[in-house]
Amino acid sequence: KAGVTQTPRYLIKTRGQQVTLSCSPISGHRSVSWYQQTPGQGLQFLFEYFSETQRNKGNFPGRFSGRQFSNSRSEMNVSTLELGDSALYLCASSLELANNEQYFGPGTRLTVT
Amino acid sequence: DQQVKQNSPSLSVQEGRISILNCDYTNSMFDYFLWYKKYPAEGPTFLISISSIKDKNEDGRFTVFLYKSAKHLSLHIVPSQPGDSAVYFCAASSSGSARQLTFGSGTQLTVLP
Repeated sequence: KAGVTQTPRYLIKTRGQQVTLSCSPISGHRSVSWYQQTPGQGLQFLFEYFSETQRNKGNFPGRFSGRQFSNSRSEMNVSTLELGDSALYLCASSLELANNEQYFGPGTRLTVT
Repeated sequence: DQQVKQNSPSLSVQEGRISILNCDYTNSMFDYFLWYKKYPAEGPTFLISISSIKDKNEDGRFTVFLYKSAKHLSLHIVPSQPGDSAVYFCAASSSGSARQLTFGSGTQLTVLP
């Protein structure tokens, strides 16, 4: 069974631009969560989607948004990029909503200059 | 406010010896704990978990101990192998938070041959 895939793997953007990241969960998984990883901060939860609806949200500004499609694929959007948004963005999928055992993708490395 | 803390950013152990990774938490509502392993350029991989109704869970070379009164858990790897060299993240969740995972900042384990 294929794992979680994320595209693109690397991205360089300029401050003020917006970016869209994509995540395809493991086949059959219906929940997708997004995390931000920065040096020294560990992984910080952004949001979780299930059945095309955001079900859980972390403590991030409204510039961070996402959506989920009927095939469970998810996209994450960051608008008006700031230098501090440079990070590894990880997507994780699980069978059901708020399932403890999440399976992570390799991440998208975003650099904002 | 870090609710999950891994106070040792790095740990070096000789091959064949025991590796002990520690994690502390402050939120008494946490009732499920997980350990993830992360290699460079890959997403975290689920390793082992424990529910708060238990104080020990074992899976092969990996054992997690939970000390609820101290709000502390530890991961033991015996015997340690060079392939275990990775960053280990401790994570916790509670049913009250819709199972949102809160991660520690990680510990880099290096197993020396």
